[in-house]
Amino acid sequence: QAGLTQPPSVSKGLRQTATLTCTGNSNNVGNQGAAWLQQHQGHPPKLLSYRNNNRPSGISERLSASRSGNTASLTITGLQPEDEADYYCSAWDSSLSAYVFGTGTKVTVL
Amino acid sequence: QVQLQESGPGLVKPSQTLSLTCTVSGGSISSGSYYWSWIRQPAGKGLEWIGRIYTSGSTNYNPSLKSRVTMSVDTSKNQFSLKLSSVTAADTAVYYCARLRAHYGGNSRAYYMDVWGKGTTVTVSS
Repeated sequence: QAGLTQPPSVSKGLRQTATLTCTGNSNNVGNQGAAWLQQHQGHPPKLLSYRNNNRPSGISERLSASRSGNTASLTITGLQPEDEADYYCSAWDSSLSAYVFGTGTKVTVL
Repeated sequence: QVQLQESGPGLVKPSQTLSLTCTVSGGSISSGSYYWSWIRQPAGKGLEWIGRIYTSGSTNYNPSLKSRVTMSVDTSKNQFSLKLSSVTAADTAVYYCARLRAHYGGNSRAYYMDVWGKGTTVTVSS
């Protein structure tokens, strides 16, 4: 099953800004944007945003999402130790009639 | 506040059928236009979508697993279930259930999973 492509890792210093990318195609990200999930070790994923930049209540304003063409992005400003986690993008693929996840990006806060 | 809880055997023998149930609490499984989904994650690896079911019984499955997957829903018990047949060691993973919902905008629907269970570990071994 075709998935979404994410860089394996991103490392940034405390209080810096990290930008994560997610590349798909016109049947998924390009059509509807992406949802972003955060997963800490040993815990289930947690929804951070959907359809590009809609944030559930309680999600920090330091996180913002966007889309350009077939690539979605998640920007985390003012990195904190608690931001260290795995991040996944996801979207429905209208061609596959299936939900697809990104390969995941591990964020390290130095 | 809706919560999800997975349950089922933690150990399944190769070639047998893995069976899991997700119990929905804090709300009716039939309320709202939600799909109910299963996802799995092998140790140290990424997320893999298994399938989704609507309360009408309509399903979509991951094409790579479609021949082995069956999902069902029991609205009287507020539960939905997963069966994965002919399992091998490659099916060893943490299995999550989640609520899948749609956001309508423009001429498209964007789907996302907003509520997740804690996950249950299933090991395939003799």
